[in-house]
Amino acid sequence: NAGVMQNPRHLVRRRGQEARLRCSPMKGHSHVYWYRQLPEEGLKFMVYLQKENIIDESGMPKERFSAEFPKEGPSILRIQQVVRGDSAAYFCASSRTSGRAVEQFFGPGTRLTVL
Amino acid sequence: KNEVEQSPQNLTAQEGEFITINCSYSVGISALHWLQQHPGGGIVSLFMLSSGKKKHGRLIATINIQEKHSSLHITASHPRDSAVYICAVSLNTDKLIFGTGTRLQVFP
Repeated sequence: NAGVMQNPRHLVRRRGQEARLRCSPMKGHSHVYWYRQLPEEGLKFMVYLQKENIIDESGMPKERFSAEFPKEGPSILRIQQVVRGDSAAYFCASSRTSGRAVEQFFGPGTRLTVL
Repeated sequence: KNEVEQSPQNLTAQEGEFITINCSYSVGISALHWLQQHPGGGIVSLFMLSSGKKKHGRLIATINIQEKHSSLHITASHPRDSAVYICAVSLNTDKLIFGTGTRLQVFP
């Protein structure tokens, strides 16, 4: 029973390129969360998705960032025209249900470095 | 002021010591989570609790809802417990709000 999978684990991009981060939730989980951990900072919520729907994107930067969770396939966090400040670890978590007290299972993270 | 505060920020201990990490929050919550993050590694969920106390092996988590405070205890600490321990809360929505973490180093 595989856990949450993220790929790539490490991603290097030059300024102005696009970054695509993928997250496959645990089997049977239909809720996905993306969090960002900037260097020497705590984790911050970015976006919460269910299959084909964005439920809460209050933590997403207004420009260049987008997320999707299609009916088939992994959830994708897309960063266009990356800048050095986007360098961070991006974690995905999944849960079986939604609700106020639901355990989330985290993936290993994607470490993005922007040169 | 952060909604979730942890103390101490850094903690060193000798193997075998009893360790306590504290978490205070300033908002009404539906649940509190304790997470563990190893250097260069991913994040593991240790506990989710909304009242009382939970125990798993050498780890114990307690929460006092009235005082808006939680503690994570590690008994008989071991070098492999060295990690960053993160407190997070969930409000009336699904997203988590995180503390800045406590970096624990246990020396043999």
